[in-house]
Amino acid sequence: AQSVTQLGSHVSVSEGALVLLRCNYSSSVPPYLFWYVQYPNQGLQLLLKYTTGATLVKGINGFEAEFKKSETSFHLTKPSAHMSDAAEYFCAVTSNRDDKIIFGKGTRLHILP
Amino acid sequence: EPEVTQTPSHQVTQMGQEVILRCVPISNHLYFYWYRQILGQKVEFLVSFYNNEISEKSEIFDDQFSVERPDGSNFTLKIRSTKLEDSAMYFCASSGQGGSYEQYFGPGTRLTVT
Repeated sequence: AQSVTQLGSHVSVSEGALVLLRCNYSSSVPPYLFWYVQYPNQGLQLLLKYTTGATLVKGINGFEAEFKKSETSFHLTKPSAHMSDAAEYFCAVTSNRDDKIIFGKGTRLHILP
Repeated sequence: EPEVTQTPSHQVTQMGQEVILRCVPISNHLYFYWYRQILGQKVEFLVSFYNNEISEKSEIFDDQFSVERPDGSNFTLKIRSTKLEDSAMYFCASSGQGGSYEQYFGPGTRLTVT
């Protein structure tokens, strides 16, 4: 069975500061990993994904994440936070065998002026 | 850019009533999904659908739930007799291929059962 753990249900950073949202996964097969963002009252938008190949993946809006198999982690980072980054972020995992996506509980990112 | 659409955006119904949530997936996609998100909680998988049949369903997807692709474009989720605990945001998603490939999510339907 697969699972995702996101550390911190709420994270606050100052505008211009580094954003780091933590995600650890559990999977008995090679995982495929995703970060989704959800703005208030909106649906889920894919930020980035890791399937195979390069372990550092870049996404939209300046976000990137690194797949670290030894640490079973897929942390999301952005060098400089912007007010518009305030949203809920979900880490998710699936596998080549299973269709369903397993989501973490989400981390709400607050940006302080 | 093609997108998944869902209607209605908000549905209010009384306990025990039937509701149908509608989704129009991206036109050339073959895999279809429903997920739900109870307020303040994580997104949970309900069911996947491929080749006109259910591929997988979760424990949540009991006999009160059904899915259908009635006309080759719409993909519906029916809840036969709604309960208070069915109140949630329901997301439809579609994918060109299964497994690791990106699922595109719709904006969701907020279902409120009173």
